[in-house]
This record gives sequence, structure tokens and C-alpha cells, in this order.
Amino acid sequence: AQSVTQLGSHVSVSEGALVLLRCNYSSSVPPYLFWYVQYPNQGLQLLLKYTTGATLVKGINGFEAEFKKSETSFHLTKPSAHMSDAAEYFCAVIPVSGGYNKLIFGAGTRLAVHP
Amino acid sequence: SQTIHQWPATLVQPVGSPLSLECTVEGTSNPNLYWYRQAAGRGLQLLFYSVGIGQISSEVPQNLSASRPQDRQFILSSKKLLLSDSGFYLCAWSGAGANNQPQHFGDGTRLSIL
Repeated sequence: AQSVTQLGSHVSVSEGALVLLRCNYSSSVPPYLFWYVQYPNQGLQLLLKYTTGATLVKGINGFEAEFKKSETSFHLTKPSAHMSDAAEYFCAVIPVSGGYNKLIFGAGTRLAVHP
Repeated sequence: SQTIHQWPATLVQPVGSPLSLECTVEGTSNPNLYWYRQAAGRGLQLLFYSVGIGQISSEVPQNLSASRPQDRQFILSSKKLLLSDSGFYLCAWSGAGANNQPQHFGDGTRLSIL
């Protein structure tokens, strides 16, 4: 069965530093790929998605992610962290052959940003 | 534009009491609808999804049920709550048809069972 692995349940960076959150999927057929952000006591907000086309995807709040088929990865990056980026980030996939847009989530990575 | 509403935002209920959480979507027709639970410090667990009125699929056996009485209304219910039902409940919708459409989430309901 398809699974999503997010390396590092907690990541801590300094303000202005590079943010790198890792995500790997398990299937041999690349799924559709998504990153969501969750601020405390709120729902999930879509950051970006990859379904087809250019493998470098730009999202909201300065985030981007690159789909690398050879590495089965979809890592999320931001060149310069801001205090407001502190939140939990979820990588998620929809298998191409699945139905009903059912998302499979990773366990999440909590990002802390220090002054 | 499409919006999704969940209420209440927070709820404190005694063990054994009933539950009804409501979710409505505006600005779209025939959406797929989803209920998730997020336990403290854990990821999201899909509880139910629906592709149409009266069509409910359950992902895990549990003490909860779901109903979709109208196209854009999704209700999560329980007849008798358990302590283990505590958590953060999220409703989401996606467009129907193509399988690559993202889900869009409501603001959630924080449910505490005493």
C-alpha cells in the first residue's frame, strides 16, 4: 500500500535560514503530491501541489517543492525562514490509480523558527 | 469562490452523550466530502468520505457515523461518546471527477470528552 514518509518529526531553524522539509513516497508509479500547512488549532491549508508538468512547483508564502522521480521525493523548501512559518507541515499523496481524491498523509513535521 | 464551514469550533461533552458536528460547503456542486480525526500529536486519520447524497464510506470501524442529507452538508454523529473520541475533527471537500484535485479543509472542531 502507498505510504508517505516525512523524515524528522521536528525541525528547528533560525530566522533567515533555509527551510528543508523532507517527504518520500513509496509507490513505483508517482502519485499526485501535495504539501499542507497547519497552524495551531486551525485546519490544513494547501501550500502547493504537483500533478503534472514542471517538476519544480512554487506555492504560497515563498515555499516551493521539487518532484524527483528517481528519488521518490517531494521535499519542501524555503530560502529564508520567517517567524510566521512556525507550524506543522504535512506531505500527502493521491495514488494515480486510486479514487475519490483520497489523500494519504505523512505523519507531519513541526517546524520551529528561532530568532 | 468556495468556502467550507464547520461548527462548533470547540465542544466539551460528557462520556455517553450524543454528538453532532456539521460541515457545509458553499460555491461548488457535488463535491466529495471527508471527515478526519487528528489526535493530539498525531497525523490525520480519514474517518469517512462521501461522493454524493446518502453515499457514505467508512474507513475505520469506530463509534462514529456520518451522513450526507444534502449535496453540500456532511454530518458526523455519535449516539454515545467515548473518552477515546476526543480529538480535533476536520471536514474537507474536493472537486469530483479527476483524481488529482486537492482537498480543502475547514477550521476544525476541538472535541473534549470528560
